[in-house]
Amino acid sequence: GAVVSQHPSRVICKSGTSVKIECRSLDFQATTMFWYRQFPKKSLMLMATSNEGSKATYEQGVEKDKFLINHASLTLSTLTVTSAHPEDSSFYICSAIAGPNNEQFFGPGTRLTVL
Amino acid sequence: SQELEQSPQSLIVQEGKNLTINCTSSKTLYGLYWYKQKYGEGLIFLMMLQKGGEEKSHEKITAKLDEKKQQSSLHITASQPSHAGIYLCGAGRMDSNYQLIWGAGTKLIIKP
Repeated sequence: GAVVSQHPSRVICKSGTSVKIECRSLDFQATTMFWYRQFPKKSLMLMATSNEGSKATYEQGVEKDKFLINHASLTLSTLTVTSAHPEDSSFYICSAIAGPNNEQFFGPGTRLTVL
Repeated sequence: SQELEQSPQSLIVQEGKNLTINCTSSKTLYGLYWYKQKYGEGLIFLMMLQKGGEEKSHEKITAKLDEKKQQSSLHITASQPSHAGIYLCGAGRMDSNYQLIWGAGTKLIIKP
């Protein structure tokens, strides 16, 4: 089946620094990837749709200058949290579309803690 | 806008017992997905339903979509500790080919 990896799995950083999270499709090409944020005991919140070779589409209320998305190749999308603050601490999950039914395959997630 | 409501929010079940999780939509569903998530991990795809009345099974998990395509149920038979986790339903958005809207999830705990 389609495999999606994320790196790093956990990151702890100081307030004000920037953090880059990678999302890779390992055995397939993904023209479309999604970035989600998940709060404790809450459902997934779609942040943006990452499109290979073009600008990401951000959901309402998500700051595009805060959460930079780059989808430079068919197997890699990156999310950079710029000038991170404690309120950015969360679980970030990416997914990629694959299969005949456009199923979403998810990465294992990245736990970000901003001190 | 379309919303998905899952019930119950959490469930504690004795090992070996059956259980059902429901996902109800405020509008007609165009593709209903069931995923499982273990705490702090990514989501694992379980099943996808598209047609009214459709039913799919995988091992001891059965998912159904009602005829009106507004409600789906996930049924686990003879639950095991490996079934523990958070179950999420997702539905295709009308304005997008790929994006999903999500239910809040059902946390399932299996008591040995």
